[in-house]
Amino acid sequence: GENVEQHPSTLSVQEGDSAVIKCTYSDSASNYFPWYKQELGKRPQLIIDIRSNVGEKKDQRIAVTLNKTAKHFSLHITETQPEDSAVYFCAAIVIKTIFGAGTRLFVKA
Amino acid sequence: DTEVTQTPKHLVMGMTNKKSLKCEQHMGHRAMYWYKQKAKKPPELMFVYSYEKLSINESVPSRFSPECPNSSLLNLHLHALQPEDSALYLCASSHDGQRYTGELFFGEGSRLTVL
Repeated sequence: GENVEQHPSTLSVQEGDSAVIKCTYSDSASNYFPWYKQELGKRPQLIIDIRSNVGEKKDQRIAVTLNKTAKHFSLHITETQPEDSAVYFCAAIVIKTIFGAGTRLFVKA
Repeated sequence: DTEVTQTPKHLVMGMTNKKSLKCEQHMGHRAMYWYKQKAKKPPELMFVYSYEKLSINESVPSRFSPECPNSSLLNLHLHALQPEDSALYLCASSHDGQRYTGELFFGEGSRLTVL
């Protein structure tokens, strides 16, 4: 079955800096790659997603890139703000959603 | 209405109790899910219902019994649970009931403690 690895497990950045989270997946049939943000005590919420026929997608300060050949995808957050502090999960879907282990992002003011 | 509503928010039960978790969505989504989330871990898939029929069971112990009474409701019946079953139980829904791609809309979760 699908296996998703996510790095780093913890990331601490200064406000205004960029943050990059990387994921790899194992099943080449995976065709949809969402990113979820989960604030403490809250539900996971989709922040951006990308499909396998697209290499890059951007939404304001957030961008995701996908390299199908290497089977990896990344989340880029620019101009980080304290409210970006949360746990971020990548996921890959082929039939079912498989989540990465999560990255705890701390943005220091 | 873009909400998935879960009740109760908190539940404490003994190992001999029978209880149920409830989930409701009115977005017309055709797939509904139960996930289990332990502290500092990702959501772990338990069950998927597609068009009100159980389509995926991730080898979940029989002490967890899902039920989908109609297209808007999803229940999780709990019986003879173990302390290690204590976790946040998240319900989710998605529009696509066949390929399961697309955004998962999560409820706020039911935090279960088994004594």
